[in-house]
Amino acid sequence: DAGVIQSPRHEVTEMGQEVTLRCKPISGHNSLFWYRQTMMRGLELLIYFNNNVPIDDSGMPEDRFSAKMPNASFSTLKIQPSEPRDSAVYFCASSPELNTEAFFGQGTRLTVV
Amino acid sequence: ELKVEQNPLFLSMQEGKNYTIYCNYSTTSDRLYWYRQDPGKSLESLFVLLSNGAVKQEGRLMASLDTKARLSTLHITAAVHDLSATYFCAGTAGTYKYIFGTGTRLKVLA
Repeated sequence: DAGVIQSPRHEVTEMGQEVTLRCKPISGHNSLFWYRQTMMRGLELLIYFNNNVPIDDSGMPEDRFSAKMPNASFSTLKIQPSEPRDSAVYFCASSPELNTEAFFGQGTRLTVV
Repeated sequence: ELKVEQNPLFLSMQEGKNYTIYCNYSTTSDRLYWYRQDPGKSLESLFVLLSNGAVKQEGRLMASLDTKARLSTLHITAAVHDLSATYFCAGTAGTYKYIFGTGTRLKVLA
């Protein structure tokens, strides 16, 4: 298996623009996570899906952030409008079942200027 | 809510030396995980510790778990340069919510 695949790897956008990050989890994994990593805050869990259903989005910082998982093989994280403070590395991770290790994608480095 | 703390935050050590990274967590965690992250890279799973007294070893790294003390350790034996990375521990709050520590940035000097 190719592992968790994220795209794009790098994104530079202007403040106010919409940004969409994409994730393909490992086939057969039914849990999917979006994390954000910054120097100041470390790794923060933004949202978690189980069987394509959002279970906990309490980590989503603001209404500008939204996430979807329309099927078992695809998820998006959207920021609209983007702001400079959203600059971070965004990781998607998946796991085969609850309470097992999570496998991380390569991340998307987002820069909002 | 589960909180996970690691120390030290930064560790610079000579090749061939031994050292231990500590991971304390605040409430019951179902499992304890250790990850490695190289600069600009993703997180790679190292160990999953399932129960009290669990010990796992891979090469020069050994992880252990003491659930009574709410403590996990990652011991490095005879460090080599290739071990330079940031190491994270993570606990699970409930059945799914992985809470990560701040990470320990390890630099092994030749």
